[in-house]
Amino acid sequence: GQQLNQSPQSMFIQEGEDVSMNCTSSSIFNTWLWYKQEPGEGPVLLIALYKAGELTSNGRLTAQFGITRKDSFLNISASIPSDVGIYFCAGRIRNTGNQFYFGTGTSLTVIP
Amino acid sequence: SQTIHQWPATLVQPVGSPLSLECTVEGTSNPNLYWYRQAAGRGLQLLFYSVGIGQISSEVPQNLSASRPQDRQFILSSKKLLLSDSGFYLCASQRINYGYTFGSGTRLTVV
Repeated sequence: GQQLNQSPQSMFIQEGEDVSMNCTSSSIFNTWLWYKQEPGEGPVLLIALYKAGELTSNGRLTAQFGITRKDSFLNISASIPSDVGIYFCAGRIRNTGNQFYFGTGTSLTVIP
Repeated sequence: SQTIHQWPATLVQPVGSPLSLECTVEGTSNPNLYWYRQAAGRGLQLLFYSVGIGQISSEVPQNLSASRPQDRQFILSSKKLLLSDSGFYLCASQRINYGYTFGSGTRLTVV
C-alpha cells in the first residue's frame, strides 16, 4: 500500500506549548484529513483539506495542505491535557478513487 | 451525518474459537465500508473493504474474512481465532467523496 510518513512518532510536551506534526508522501494527493483518536475510541475527524495551500482551523488546531500536494501539517496551539491522543493524517491520492491512506500516527502526551 | 454502530466493545475469546464482529451504519446509503485492525494503539492496518453488497476486497492474507449481507451491515469473522488476532478492530464508513467515519471499536483479546 501507499506510504504516508508521519512524524514525529510521539511527543511529550508541557501544557501550554505548541505542537507541530506533519505527513509526507511521494504521491500527489487531492484530499488530506486529520483525525484524533482518544484511548479506547475510534478516530474522529478534526479537519479536512481539499486544495493545495489551503489553511483551515478548528479551534486551537490549524492544518495546511502543502503546496506541493505531497504533504500536510497540523499545528496545535497552547496545548491542554485533553489534547492527549493519537493523531492520524489520511490522504487520498489524485486519480486513484476514493480510498484514503493513513499515516502511522503521532502519539501526543501533554504533561500538566 | 453518519453513525457507526460496532459491537461488542470488548471481547475475550479462547484460541480456536470462532469470531463474529458486527458493524452497522445509519444516516447514509451505499457507503464504502472498511475493517481496520490497530495493534498496541498505533497504526491502522486495512483488512477489508467493500464498495457494495457482497463485494469484499481483502488487503492482506489472514485468518479473517468479511461479509456484507446488507447495504449498511459489515461483518468480520473467523472460524478459528489465533493469538495474533488480538487487537483493536475498527469499522469505518465512507460516503463518496467524503472522508471516513469510524465506529468506537472492538477490543479483542485472544487467550
